[in-house]
Amino acid sequence: NAGVMQNPRHLVRRRGQEARLRCSPMKGHSHVYWYRQLPEEGLKFMVYLQKENIIDESGMPKERFSAEFPKEGPSILRIQQVVRGDSAAYFCASSPLRGQGPETQYFGPGTRLLVL
Amino acid sequence: DQQVKQNSPSLSVQEGRISILNCDYTNSMFDYFLWYKKYPAEGPTFLISISSIKDKNEDGRFTVFLNKSAKHLSLHIVPSQPGDSAVYFCAETSNTGKLIFGQGTTLQVKP
Repeated sequence: NAGVMQNPRHLVRRRGQEARLRCSPMKGHSHVYWYRQLPEEGLKFMVYLQKENIIDESGMPKERFSAEFPKEGPSILRIQQVVRGDSAAYFCASSPLRGQGPETQYFGPGTRLLVL
Repeated sequence: DQQVKQNSPSLSVQEGRISILNCDYTNSMFDYFLWYKKYPAEGPTFLISISSIKDKNEDGRFTVFLNKSAKHLSLHIVPSQPGDSAVYFCAETSNTGKLIFGQGTTLQVKP
């Protein structure tokens, strides 16, 4: 059973471009969480999605950021018109079902976004 | 508002000795506290958790202690090994399942 996959692992964008980060959850997992880690900081929650639904987006910046988890395919975190402050590591985690214990969030290796 | 704080950015210990990593929280509204371990260029991996109704949980060399009156938890690693060198994050669960992380403590175990 493959783990959580994220691609690309590294992404370089110039200011004003768009960044698309992909997350394929573990097989059988229908819950996806996105977190962002800025340099020298801890992970900060961004958004929680189930298939075709956004459950909690309280950590998402109000502008330029969006996320989806379609019925088929990976979850996508999209950042429009990137700025240098978006440079960070973006991690997704997947979970099979809530209520089965806290350790059931499995993290991917992350995408390191660098905005020039 | 839930907050989790790790006030020590780094810790260095000798191999074989005990490592103690600390974490403070503001509001314990939900079920669990967790510790994650993270190596460079990798995602966090779950290490150990503790239910808010307990004060201790042990798994091999790792023990987590919860002091609810002080709103404080700690992770003890004994004996420490060089492979334990990593960044350690404490985290708290929330009502939607999202995790609220501390800033992390970098542990270095010297051979």
